[in-house]
Amino acid sequence: GAGVSQSPSNKVTEKGKDVELRCDPISGHTALYWYRQSLGQGLEFLIYFQGNSAPDKSGLPSDRFSAERTGGSVSTLTIQRTQQEDSAVYLCASSGSGRHTDTQYFGPGTRLTVL
Amino acid sequence: GNSVTQMEGPVTLSEEAFLTINCTYTATGYPSLFWYVQYPGEGLQLLLKATKADDKGSNKGFEATYRKETTSFHLEKGSVQVSDSAVYFCALWNSGNTPLVFGKGTRLSVIA
Repeated sequence: GAGVSQSPSNKVTEKGKDVELRCDPISGHTALYWYRQSLGQGLEFLIYFQGNSAPDKSGLPSDRFSAERTGGSVSTLTIQRTQQEDSAVYLCASSGSGRHTDTQYFGPGTRLTVL
Repeated sequence: GNSVTQMEGPVTLSEEAFLTINCTYTATGYPSLFWYVQYPGEGLQLLLKATKADDKGSNKGFEATYRKETTSFHLEKGSVQVSDSAVYFCALWNSGNTPLVFGKGTRLSVIA
């Protein structure tokens, strides 16, 4: 079946602009994660959605970052007033249940470059 | 807090060489441990996991043993192939509703 998809695959923007990154999880997966992968760094957890529960936003680095998940499926990560330090690969993952130990299935990522 | 430390790459090996990628962790209690792999141009995928001390995870010829006494989960493979070239991430999950904590990743290049 189809895996996790993300769009766009690459995004180049100017400092100060807003960007939206999209994630389509595997159909039926209730849990959805966003991570950031910066050069030379590991995966940095950003936000976690599980079903209809309030999202875990504890990893969002600033209030310029927000995310929503509509209808329990597609998710959008929004970065407002982008800064150069926001340049990274943004990864989305989904899993079949709310347990963090369940296998996470990752999308290919969106590479964001802020000029 | 919880953390994972991996050996820094890149690691370059010849085909059929023995591979070890070191991973140590810091956590209270009894975390679950994972290795994820990211092949070029693809998303991360679970390679193997172990949920309790002395468990051995294995997949595709890779193995890792959960060693609580040394707080380690080193990844090994007896004979690497060019197709094993990828970035390998060690990760842990501890109790409660905390998400996975990932290491920085180790890039492996296998040359023919």
